Amino acid sequence: SQTIHQWPATLVQPVGSPLSLECTVEGTSNPNLYWYRQAAGRGLQLLFYSVGIGQISSEVPQNLSASRPQDRQFILSSKKLLLSDSGFYLCAWSVIQETQYFGPGTRLLVL
Amino acid sequence: DAKTTQPTSMDCAEGRAANLPCNHSTISGNEYVYWYRQIHSQGPQYIIHGLKNNETNEMASLIITEDRKSSTLILPHATLRDTAVYYCIVRVAYAGGTSYGKLTFGQGTILTVHP
Repeated sequence: SQTIHQWPATLVQPVGSPLSLECTVEGTSNPNLYWYRQAAGRGLQLLFYSVGIGQISSEVPQNLSASRPQDRQFILSSKKLLLSDSGFYLCAWSVIQETQYFGPGTRLLVL
Repeated sequence: DAKTTQPTSMDCAEGRAANLPCNHSTISGNEYVYWYRQIHSQGPQYIIHGLKNNETNEMASLIITEDRKSSTLILPHATLRDTAVYYCIVRVAYAGGTSYGKLTFGQGTILTVHP
């Protein structure tokens, strides 16, 4: 069966510091991968998606970037965090355009 | 993708059926209706999806009206662990370009199951 992992589970970072969140998927090959963010009290917003290694599409211009160095690894990064980057970050996977399955999420607090 | 409208909140007694409505009056013929739920501090959990016909799985049933403009998610025997935010999402079955596979989450329905 397929599983999706995210780490860390929680993170507290100062403004201006770098960020690296990691997501890995097991039990499937060549998945579509997605990064979403959920601000406090709000719905999920799609940030990035990837259909293959090195292929990243951005949905919303922002202070963040994404990379996919391996087939089942998706990384969300920032060079300098802003207060507005605080939120709940969720990684998801799917087979082509089928159902998306979400990971446990990383709660980021920027102070 | 078509927009959905859901009640902000609903209550249900434990052991009773929970019926969560969703309006999607602008849905297109190639758009699915998906339901997810999010328990506090967890990632969204997929529940069920359908195109035209009613669907049932081990978690829930999905009833889609004949004109496809609305649907109802049914949790047949709600438990306290079903307390969550339930999202109804309409998504194109296939789309290229920038909307590829995109799920657009609204505010959802806060379902509270009480003893």
